[in-house]
Amino acid sequence: KQEVTQIPAALSVPEGENLVLNCSFTDSAIYNLQWFRQDPGKGLTSLLLIQSSQREQTSGRLNASLDKSSGRSTLYIAASQPGDSATYLCAVNDYKLSFGAGTTVTVRA
Amino acid sequence: DGGITQSPKYLFRKEGQNVTLSCEQNLNHDAMYWYRQDPGQGLRLIYYSQIVNDFQKGDIAEGYSVSREKKESFPLTVTSAQKNPTAFYLCASRPPGGTYSYNEQFFGPGTRLTVL
Repeated sequence: KQEVTQIPAALSVPEGENLVLNCSFTDSAIYNLQWFRQDPGKGLTSLLLIQSSQREQTSGRLNASLDKSSGRSTLYIAASQPGDSATYLCAVNDYKLSFGAGTTVTVRA
Repeated sequence: DGGITQSPKYLFRKEGQNVTLSCEQNLNHDAMYWYRQDPGQGLRLIYYSQIVNDFQKGDIAEGYSVSREKKESFPLTVTSAQKNPTAFYLCASRPPGGTYSYNEQFFGPGTRLTVL
């Protein structure tokens, strides 16, 4: 059974600092990995999708890397802003999505 | 506008009642999913459907039921057999692309169910 872990569970940084969010998974036989953002009481917004054949994916200030062999993905958010405050979830697709518990980020102005 | 809608946003249930959560999408997606989210935990899959008139149990299907009579709709019924139904419920859909799709899932805004 696929297990997905996100560490740390919570993170607080001053505005302008770069964010590094980690996701690890136990079974490397995946199709893709997806990063989501969730605001309190809201649904999930897809940020990035990395296919299993890719090493990284970029969108604006966001960059996600994938190392299947080690079962790890990292989401980098450059020059953080207070509007980046949210919970970030990673999900691994190995025919169905398995989610981590998320990292709750607070960016202090 | 294309998207996924869930209703109601908030739902209150008394002990012993069945309640139905609505999920509708106009994205022409084949696959639809229901997840449950509890505080401090990741989303857990309840049921999913790849095509109309077909659905499969996920990891935590006990106490839930679904139907898929139309491509656009995938309602979830929380029955009285579900002993701890208070949670945030999220519906998702995925574009066509094969059984084990490479495409991303899109999520609705969620329904918060509270048992009184």
